[in-house]
Amino acid sequence: DIQMTQSPSSLSASLGDRVTITCRASQSISTHLNWYQHKPGRAPRLLIYAASILQSGVPSRFSGSGSGTDFTLTISSLRPEDFATYYCQQSYNTLTFGPGTRLEIK
Amino acid sequence: QVQLVQSGAEVKKAGSSVKVSCKTSGGTFRTYAISWVRQAPGQGLEWMGGVIPMFGTPHYARDFQGRVTITADETTSTVYMELSSLRSEDTAVYYCARVGGAEMTTIGPLSQWGQGTLVTVSS
Repeated sequence: DIQMTQSPSSLSASLGDRVTITCRASQSISTHLNWYQHKPGRAPRLLIYAASILQSGVPSRFSGSGSGTDFTLTISSLRPEDFATYYCQQSYNTLTFGPGTRLEIK
Repeated sequence: QVQLVQSGAEVKKAGSSVKVSCKTSGGTFRTYAISWVRQAPGQGLEWMGGVIPMFGTPHYARDFQGRVTITADETTSTVYMELSSLRSEDTAVYYCARVGGAEMTTIGPLSQWGQGTLVTVSS
């Protein structure tokens, strides 16, 4: 099975900061990588699919990049509604989520 | 606008089974896969399996093989997830989610989600 790791596991940042979260796959997954935002009490929300394509309705401050085994999610300027947990997920072979990155207000 | 509406919270005894439903509306049902994902307290997201309603043959994650059954009812546009031999570690919020974009595959980004169903397993 393909294993996913994320770093950091948690992150404190301020409004307006630029933030980058990294995701790594245990083997090459091409660009079959998706990013989700999850807030307590809410359903997860798809932000980016195929490594870099912004899901409809998602603000352009979110961006994704990478291919093969290494991927990044970047939020260009943090807004209050961005504080949440972020998960990467591979969709190359079954579906596997990363362990998540909790983004907190500094 | 695709909507997924799940059944309500459940409290179950250890060793029993639970069946959660996910009714879809507003889109094509039979050719888009529905997956089940759970989140235990303080834990991350975990994919359990999925099904393409038209085919009916589910695809399960290795960790749930033998304990989970996912079925689809085309007459009511509803997908069901049944988990058996419940233990306390199965206490979690269970979500259904629809694969977006590509038809005929259970492997893809999950673009629409149900509201979640809390299943509590007591000993």
